[in-house]
Amino acid sequence: AQTVTQSQPEMSVQEAETVTLSCTYDTSESDYYLFWYKQPPSRQMILVIRQEAYKQQNATENRFSVNFQKAAKSFSLKISDSQLGDAAMYFCAYRSAVRPGQGNLIFGKGTKLSVKP
Amino acid sequence: EPEVTQTPSHQVTQMGQEVILRCVPISNHLYFYWYRQILGQKVEFLVSFYNNEISEKSEIFDDQFSVERPDGSNFTLKIRSTKLEDSAMYFCASSVRKNVDTQYFGPGTRLTVL
Repeated sequence: AQTVTQSQPEMSVQEAETVTLSCTYDTSESDYYLFWYKQPPSRQMILVIRQEAYKQQNATENRFSVNFQKAAKSFSLKISDSQLGDAAMYFCAYRSAVRPGQGNLIFGKGTKLSVKP
Repeated sequence: EPEVTQTPSHQVTQMGQEVILRCVPISNHLYFYWYRQILGQKVEFLVSFYNNEISEKSEIFDDQFSVERPDGSNFTLKIRSTKLEDSAMYFCASSVRKNVDTQYFGPGTRLTVL
């Protein structure tokens, strides 16, 4: 079974600085998708960024980028120029791309990010 | 921008009562999902639904749970006889296709079982 591990329960960053959130996963599958979702205090899950495992290029969305290391099964999220609105719980998630019926997301436990003014 | 909506935002019920949580997925999406998040814990998959039937379900989704698409827009999760441990945030999500596409989440329904 696939698992997703986020080893940092909490992180803190100064406004305008850069922070990296860690995520590792375990799978025997060759094709899959990885996601970072943000959950602010309002509790809604918002997609931050998505990475297809078959793509070597790291995904980027404005201030958010990932470092995808397929061999190491690592998928970290880098937030540049952190803003107060980035404060939230961040969840790393995995989804199979090969097994029929396996459309569900598998989440890590999350990292709570605080942004200091 | 289209979004997934859920009602109610907060539901309080007595143990043993039935509850129905409602979701309106994004209109052109074909796959629908329910997840739950017990306070302080990770988000867990419950069930996925496609073409008016369950596509897959987790071990959490036992006989107390059921899902339905009663009309062309709503997608519901019913818990027949709620337990204290059903207290959680329930998220609905939808996607155009299953394995390929991003799942978009609704704002969640907080269920409190007393």
